[in-house]
Amino acid sequence: EVQLVQSGAEVKKPGESLKISCKGSGYSFTSYWIGWVRQMPGKGLEWMGIIYPGDSDTRYSPSFQGQVTISADKSISTAYLQWSSLKASDTAMYYCARAAGLIAARHFDYWGQGTLVTVSS
Amino acid sequence: DIQMTQSPSSLSASVGDRVTITCQASQDISNYLNWYQQKPGKAPKLLIYDASNLETGVPSRFSGSGSGTDFTFTISSLQPEDIATYYCQQYDNLVMYTFGQGTKLEIK
Repeated sequence: EVQLVQSGAEVKKPGESLKISCKGSGYSFTSYWIGWVRQMPGKGLEWMGIIYPGDSDTRYSPSFQGQVTISADKSISTAYLQWSSLKASDTAMYYCARAAGLIAARHFDYWGQGTLVTVSS
Repeated sequence: DIQMTQSPSSLSASVGDRVTITCQASQDISNYLNWYQQKPGKAPKLLIYDASNLETGVPSRFSGSGSGTDFTFTISSLQPEDIATYYCQQYDNLVMYTFGQGTKLEIK
């Protein structure tokens, strides 16, 4: 069974750093892209970026380029999303999702349960 | 960047109604269009991929159509458990993705 299990909720102060995780199981972790999606309170889904754990090829949405860093450790089948200096506006639910497709990774077929990040002084 | 315009932003319908949501891309995206359902407090769930393909296990009352810039998502007979927010999502060949703004579906 394919599963993506994300790390638990975080409460941080502005300016602090944070790294959240997404552990894949039940499939070949290095053969599928893993994307990250932000959902701010009461708002829609925003694609942030994506990584291919097989070779660490990473792409970012222009809206998030330079704001976050996406990485992966294929030895433990885990992808990461990190911030070096959080802002209150980073408060959101963050989802990881596996990208799949016959020819290209065009859709997200499995999702993690989400990690709620709250940034408040 | 490819922009996605999804409409309506909200919709109220009765059980048994046929429900239609549209998504328009700012440029030709072939059939690289997917539809998701998100229930409150839950992660999104893939319903339709590549514009018209039903994901395994998804009820057949859900369907999708379209290509190029104009796409349609349909629920043929609305059920109470279909209350959710629905999103379209496009993919381009640069490994970039964009979600539509979402359609919140409520029971009348």
